[in-house]
Amino acid sequence: EAAVTQSPRNKVAVTGGKVTLSCNQTNNHNNMYWYRQDTGHGLRLIHYSYGAGSTEKGDIPDGYKASRPSQENFSLILELATPSQTSVYFCASGDWGSSAETLYFGSGTRLTVL
Amino acid sequence: GDQVKQSPSALSLQEGTNSALRCNFSIATTTVQWFLQNPRGSLMNLFYLVPGTKENGRLKSTFNSKESYSTLHIRDAQLEDSGTYFCAADAGNTRKLIFGLGTTLQVQP
Repeated sequence: EAAVTQSPRNKVAVTGGKVTLSCNQTNNHNNMYWYRQDTGHGLRLIHYSYGAGSTEKGDIPDGYKASRPSQENFSLILELATPSQTSVYFCASGDWGSSAETLYFGSGTRLTVL
Repeated sequence: GDQVKQSPSALSLQEGTNSALRCNFSIATTTVQWFLQNPRGSLMNLFYLVPGTKENGRLKSTFNSKESYSTLHIRDAQLEDSGTYFCAADAGNTRKLIFGLGTTLQVQP
């Protein structure tokens, strides 16, 4: 079973502060994703990556940056956190192109911006 | 949520009964995935589908690409089936998934 680990599990930040959410996967998947989940909106894609050194904008990238320094690690960075970024954030990894392609999710990070 | 519409939005079942969840797509999609988010918030993959049908235990899922829909059938529902079921479409082989808003299922004893 694929392993995707997110840290921290919970985070409280102040408006204007910098927040970094981390994600690590141990299955050598090429693709990694950051989603946020909000009531009424489901899961929305923020940023994704096809491999080390690559980041791509998802559907709601404004206010977020991403970094993929290695195959295993994918970070989501909020340079200037705002209360509207209070949400649950999920990281996922997967490999397109195989018949068994699917996404594997981390356990989520609950972020509160005060 | 408009590109991937799930129905119903919520459902309550008695233990041991059967039901079907549906996803309709307004975008061209080559593959579909189904996930279950349990009451603790963890997301687990259930199915990855190209056009056709897959079965796993009491769950069966079909993806009809010509008519742009997918279904998830739950047979003999159990308490542990409770949670929110999401379908997601791979929009044009972009390696991005677009999620529906989910169907929240409550299985009652």
